[in-house]
Amino acid sequence: NAGVTQTPKFQVLKTGQSMTLQCAQDMNHEYMSWYRQDPGMGLRLIHYSVGAGITDQGEVPNGYNVSRSTTEDFPLRLLSAAPSQTSVYFCASSYETGRGEQYFGPGTRLTVT
Amino acid sequence: GESVGLHLPTLSVQEGDNSIINCAYSNSASDYFIWYKQESGKGPQFIIDIRSNMDKRQGQRVTVLLNKTVKHLSLQIAATQPGDSAVYFCALTGGGNKLTFGTGTQLKVEL
Repeated sequence: NAGVTQTPKFQVLKTGQSMTLQCAQDMNHEYMSWYRQDPGMGLRLIHYSVGAGITDQGEVPNGYNVSRSTTEDFPLRLLSAAPSQTSVYFCASSYETGRGEQYFGPGTRLTVT
Repeated sequence: GESVGLHLPTLSVQEGDNSIINCAYSNSASDYFIWYKQESGKGPQFIIDIRSNMDKRQGQRVTVLLNKTVKHLSLQIAATQPGDSAVYFCALTGGGNKLTFGTGTQLKVEL
């Protein structure tokens, strides 16, 4: 199993540009989520999904959209990039809801200039 | 809302010594308390969790202690090795699979 994969690894955007961060998992996990990690602030939940067709907002959802058309994929869209969205983005998945053992991808480092 | 804090941003230990990383939390309604390890340039990796109705759980070289009275969580690593050098995050569950993470403690293992 590849686990949780994310693409791209690095990305530089100009303010106002849009892009999609890709996330896929091959473990047949129902639960998937997106976090951003900023220095000194730990990880903060952006959006999450408990299954195909179901998404919900996390702690910091503004400026991001998600969709979950399949169990495997959970892309994160930046609609109009802002410098405040410069961060490292992690996708995670888990097989059991409520317990907290999540499998994280390697991350995407995004810089918005 | 939930908040999670850590007592020290950096912890330095000698190789072979035991490490103790502490975490304070405010949300009493969490079902699970979890420790993650993050090596440089990688995503967080699950280490161990403990359910709210327990006060101690042991894994391989790691022990997690939960004191709900003072809302305190700790991770003990026995015989710390250079490979244990990483940032350690505590996290707690709230509302399904939502996780609230602490800010992290950098563990440095000195040879």
